[in-house]
Amino acid sequence: QVQLQESGPGLVKPSETLSLTCTVSGGSINTYYWSWIRQPPGKGLEWIGYIYSSGSTNYNPSLKSRVSMSIDTSKNQFSLKLRSATAADTAVYYCAREPQTRDWIDPWGQGTLGTVSS
Amino acid sequence: SYELTQPPSVSVSPGQTASITCSGDKLGDKYACWYQQKPGQSPVLVIYQNTKRPSGIPERFSGSSSGNTATLTISGTQPMDEADYYCQALDSSTALFGGGTKLTVL
Repeated sequence: QVQLQESGPGLVKPSETLSLTCTVSGGSINTYYWSWIRQPPGKGLEWIGYIYSSGSTNYNPSLKSRVSMSIDTSKNQFSLKLRSATAADTAVYYCAREPQTRDWIDPWGQGTLGTVSS
Repeated sequence: SYELTQPPSVSVSPGQTASITCSGDKLGDKYACWYQQKPGQSPVLVIYQNTKRPSGIPERFSGSSSGNTATLTISGTQPMDEADYYCQALDSSTALFGGGTKLTVL
């Protein structure tokens, strides 16, 4: 059974880059879409984007100018970088998997809180 | 831009049927899915492709979709079903979520 685990610094300063990594275990990272989703405290879910196992990416237009994703298939890991972070980027960040059809998102990691504060 | 609209809250008595709606322009032409999220936990997929249940999801969860509305129905609602529920669909390759519905079982 595939499991995902987020990791990365929990705290960054405003204007810095929020960097997170997701490690995939129990299955191959190949032939799937790997996504990041965030949830500000007490609010709803926002899809940030995906990276395919080939390295192709697709980002939410609302965040596209500040987001980049990468993948390391040899380590079964993929990563998120969110530049020029502000307090509005404070959220629980989830990594997750999408199938080829992209009709659903499952499974999800446990989430990690990313805080932007001086 | 495309939006998915859910009621902020729904209340149901134990054992009764709860229905949570998700509205969007021509949503019936897309596939919708639903997630359950309990406090402090990650979202869990409960319905995908409008009507299908993943393995391990109880039969009391069902889904439907027509026109501009997708609906999640929980039959014989149990106290353990109290949670936030989110619908999700694709629009131009962007995954969109509804604002979420808090289901209260009382």
